[in-house]
Amino acid sequence: GENVEQHPSTLSVQEGDSAVIKCTYSDSASNYFPWYKQELGKRPQLIIDIRSNVGEKKDQRIAVTLNKTAKHFSLHITETQPEDSAVYFCAASNKYGNKLVFGAGTILRVKS
Amino acid sequence: DAGVIQSPRHEVTEMGQEVTLRCKPISGHDYLFWYRQTMMRGLELLIYFNNNVPIDDSGMPEDRFSAKMPNASFSTLKIQPSEPRDSAVYFCASSFRAGVTEAFFGQGTRLTVV
Repeated sequence: GENVEQHPSTLSVQEGDSAVIKCTYSDSASNYFPWYKQELGKRPQLIIDIRSNVGEKKDQRIAVTLNKTAKHFSLHITETQPEDSAVYFCAASNKYGNKLVFGAGTILRVKS
Repeated sequence: DAGVIQSPRHEVTEMGQEVTLRCKPISGHDYLFWYRQTMMRGLELLIYFNNNVPIDDSGMPEDRFSAKMPNASFSTLKIQPSEPRDSAVYFCASSFRAGVTEAFFGQGTRLTVV
């Protein structure tokens, strides 16, 4: 079945710096790659997603890139702010496109 | 729509007791998922339903766990008997089309088995 690896497990950056989180997936048939943000004690919420027919997508300070050949995708957060501190999860659809497999998560700390 | 609604938000129970977690998905969503979140194992998919029918329960840890979806607006996850290692946050999520549209998560139920 689909396997999603996420790195790093923790990431500390200074406010204003950029943060990059990377994920790899195993199933070349996967076609949907969302990123979720989970604040402490809250539910995971979608922040951005990308589909396999697109290489990059941007929404204000966040962007996601997808390399289908290498089977990896990345989340980029620019001009980080303390409120960006949270756990970030990547996910990939399985080859049947009927469920998501999540990465292990990255704890992002933005130091002010 | 109020989003995915789960109850209770917190549950503390003694080992051996039956626990029932409840979920109301977003109206119109065809897919419903139950996830378990722990520090050690992250977000694990336990089971998911499509149009009220269980499709994949391969993530259910053992026979003590069961899930039902009697209609499009209600699902339950039951643990009987509960054990301390079942302590976790259990999330229910729903989506219009699984794997290609956003999965909306409920607030979760924090289960503590003592």
